Amino acid sequence: KAGVTQTPRYLIKTRGQQVTLSCSPISGHRSVSWYQQTPGQGLQFLFEYFSETQRNKGNFPGRFSGRQFSNSRSEMNVSTLELGDSALYLCASSLGPGLAGGPYNEQFFGPGTRLTVL
Amino acid sequence: AQTVTQSQPEMSVQEAETVTLSCTYDTSESNYYLFWYKQPPSRQMILVIRQEAYKQQNATENRFSVNFQKAAKSFSLKISDSQLGDTAMYFCAFSGTYKYIFGTGTRLKVLA
Repeated sequence: KAGVTQTPRYLIKTRGQQVTLSCSPISGHRSVSWYQQTPGQGLQFLFEYFSETQRNKGNFPGRFSGRQFSNSRSEMNVSTLELGDSALYLCASSLGPGLAGGPYNEQFFGPGTRLTVL
Repeated sequence: AQTVTQSQPEMSVQEAETVTLSCTYDTSESNYYLFWYKQPPSRQMILVIRQEAYKQQNATENRFSVNFQKAAKSFSLKISDSQLGDTAMYFCAFSGTYKYIFGTGTRLKVLA
C-alpha cells in the first residue's frame, strides 16, 4: 500500500499570501489529521476530518481551515500568512475508530510540507 | 480533559545501553490506546509501539518495550541495546474517543 503523500514538500510564500496544502491518505483510511510542528511549540493539532466531516479542531485562528473530499483526500488552507506560520505541516491518516465508537487506531504520517513565510 | 506529559525534553544514552523514556497521561476514559512514535532527524514520523488499555500485558517490538501502569497512568518506553539509528524525537500519544493527543516529545541522542 502506498503511504501518506503530501504535496508540495516545500513552499515559500510571503506575508499576506494564502496557501493550500494537500494530503492523500493511505487507501481505505477515512480519518485525516493535520498538525503544525515547530521547534519551539512541538506538535500542535490543527484539525481532524473523518468521512468529510470535521470532528475535532485545535486552537488555531480561523485563518487555518481544511476540508476533506469524498475520496478522503484532504486539503488545508492558510490565508493571510504570517511569519509565525513558518513550520512543518504534517498530515496523518488513520482507519479511524477501532471498535464502534472506540479509540482511533494508529496514525500514519506523511513526510510533511515545509512552509516558509518571508 | 485528556493530557499527555513527557517530562524529559532531552536524553542521551551510550550505544548498546538501555534507556527509558517517560510518559504520563490523564484521562477518565476506560477504553483507549497509547502509542510511541519516533521522528528521526529530517525524516518521517513512524509508529514504534502500541498498547491497548484493556490489555494487561506490556507490548514489545524487538528492542522496544513499554511499561504500562494503568492505575498510575504511566506509559514508559524502554529501548534496549540502543543503536545510533535510534537517535530521534520520541512522542508519546493517547487515543481516546474522537481524541488523539501527543506529548511534547523527548529528544533522544545515542552516543557512539
